[in-house]
Amino acid sequence: DAKTTQPTSMDCAEGRAANLPCNHSTISGNEYVYWYRQIHSQGPQYIIHGLKNNETNEMASLIITEDRKSSTLILPHATLRDTAVYYCIVRGSTLGRLYFGRGTQLTVWP
Amino acid sequence: NAGVTQTPKFQVLKTGQSMTLQCAQDMNHNSMYWYRQDPGMGLRLIYYSASEGTTDKGEVPNGYNVSRLNKREFSLRLESAAPSQTSVYFCASSPLRGHAEKLFFGSGTQLSVL
Repeated sequence: DAKTTQPTSMDCAEGRAANLPCNHSTISGNEYVYWYRQIHSQGPQYIIHGLKNNETNEMASLIITEDRKSSTLILPHATLRDTAVYYCIVRGSTLGRLYFGRGTQLTVWP
Repeated sequence: NAGVTQTPKFQVLKTGQSMTLQCAQDMNHNSMYWYRQDPGMGLRLIYYSASEGTTDKGEVPNGYNVSRLNKREFSLRLESAAPSQTSVYFCASSPLRGHAEKLFFGSGTQLSVL
């Protein structure tokens, strides 16, 4: 599975868009990009995933560059409840496991 | 639906004691996982079970054993607890094998070993 690089921390004003970057320069063709978040003391929560096309759901949008070496998670209108650690994970067809790094601590301020 | 249920939520052990962390899911998922999370670190995979009757080691399996009792339940056992096993433990499950897995996590067990 390819490794990912994320900034340690970011902040964002409430109501503004939060754009969280992730580099995965060693990604291979069959590997998906996943995003999870973990609100303090809770179990991680799945947000979104994609292979090469941009994806959107009720929580967020995922923009993957054409060369697939990086991606951006977009929370369009951040709220205080979006304050969490966000994990970007790249995973291929290896059965079984996702590896979580240290993620990005996103702080949304009023 | 309860999702993924872990028990207990909190536990304090003395060095050398044993205990079993329980995990059950009611989503008919095939795969189940145990992770640990230490302060300031991401989650590390201890063991996983791709399907009923199979288990495999993850990144940090030493000091732990697991049992996939049936499709619903996946337990983690500490035979002789050590202070280095003080951590928050998360159980997770996922419905699919292969690509595009989504993990559903429990709320965690905070374990302290004195």
